[in-house]
Amino acid sequence: EAGVAQSPRYKIIEKRQSVAFWCNPISGHATLYWYQQILGQGPKLLIQFQNNGVVDDSQLPKDRFSAERLKGVDSTLKIQPAKLEDSAVYLCASSLDPGGGDGYTFGSGTRLTVV
Amino acid sequence: GEDVEQSLFLSVREGDSSVINCTYTDSSSTYLYWYKQEPGAGLQLLTYIFSNMDMKQDQRLTVLLNKKDKHLSLRIADTQTGDSAIYFCAASPGAGSYQLTFGKGTKLSVIP
Repeated sequence: EAGVAQSPRYKIIEKRQSVAFWCNPISGHATLYWYQQILGQGPKLLIQFQNNGVVDDSQLPKDRFSAERLKGVDSTLKIQPAKLEDSAVYLCASSLDPGGGDGYTFGSGTRLTVV
Repeated sequence: GEDVEQSLFLSVREGDSSVINCTYTDSSSTYLYWYKQEPGAGLQLLTYIFSNMDMKQDQRLTVLLNKKDKHLSLRIADTQTGDSAIYFCAASPGAGSYQLTFGKGTKLSVIP
């Protein structure tokens, strides 16, 4: 089974620029998550999708972050404009069971550096 | 909201057992997970335990859950150098909300 695919692997941008990350979950996984992992901390949920609908985006900074999953498969996360504090690894995860009983499968992440 | 705490570092000798501890605050947490993260990689699910269980064993891994004290531990038997990584404890409330709350991670260093 192919894993969760993310691209790009690394991205360096200047503050106030925009950036987009892409995620393709495991085939058949209806639930998709975006997490932000700041260096030295555990991942923090940004947004959760069930198919193409948003389940939880309470911790997404909506003034600058947006995410979509138009066809219920792959997803993009955008930051516009980026701030220095957005430097982090952005992890995408998917799960078959929305109740979490099977755990999540994480991608390798996109490491964003804002300078 | 949920808060998950872990010690930050653990150092053990190869062949010894490692025990990584975690505490959480939300007594309604339904699933508790252990993830492993190697440098530059995503998180790998190691094991998880449902809140109505006290113990789960999977090869070299043993998870113990003390629901009364809201304490979770991961024991790795016969620790190998390949076990060196950061280990994250995570809790999920279930009941319609499947957001994982992670601890800051415990960095396990295995000394040959």
